[in-house]
Amino acid sequence: EVQLVESGGGLVKPGGSLRLSCAASGFTFSSYSMNWVRQAPGKGLEWVSSISSSSSYIYYADSVKGRFTISRDNAKNSLYLQMNSLRAEDTAVYYCARTLPYSSGLDYWGQGTLVTVSS
Amino acid sequence: QSALTQPRSVSGSPGQSVTISCTGTSSDVGGYNYVSWYQQHPGKAPKLMIYDVSKRPSGVPDRFSGSKSGNTASLTISGLQAEDEADYYCCSYAGSYSWVFGGGTKLTVL
Repeated sequence: EVQLVESGGGLVKPGGSLRLSCAASGFTFSSYSMNWVRQAPGKGLEWVSSISSSSSYIYYADSVKGRFTISRDNAKNSLYLQMNSLRAEDTAVYYCARTLPYSSGLDYWGQGTLVTVSS
Repeated sequence: QSALTQPRSVSGSPGQSVTISCTGTSSDVGGYNYVSWYQQHPGKAPKLMIYDVSKRPSGVPDRFSGSKSGNTASLTISGLQAEDEADYYCCSYAGSYSWVFGGGTKLTVL
């Protein structure tokens, strides 16, 4: 069974940093591109970042470019999101999601981890 | 990148059909056959319902179908059931290796 489990969320002050993790199991992690998608409280979904299976290709939304860094460790079946210079508008539930190969779909999602940026 | 435009809410009775629209531009929805749809129940993670405009992942009922015309994509749910009540989001490739979601549509089953 495919499982994605996020961790690392919490309360952080504006300007602070946080590192999210996503532990993957039930599939060959190293064969799939992965993504982070966030959802502010009561709001819609927002794509944050994507990383290819071998980390060769990395992409960011303009809203986080220069502040967030996506990475992965295929040996540990883990995906990460390093978030620096956090702002109140970064407050959201952050989901990791797997890309369905050769398609536009995100076929498996974790349960999400809440990041709250507040003083 | 602006969010794709979806109706805030739609409703239908059990057994009926409903269609949710998703309007973008020629730079996203109209420019690529990379539109996907997600169902999200309250407090839950999104679930992929349609990808590449009209393809269904295994396990998704064939009551769910997707299409696209010009800059507007659509999700149609036929034979509406109570468990279909949820929020629905469209998503499109927007060029330059970026993705954009719609604002979401709340489906109410009357």
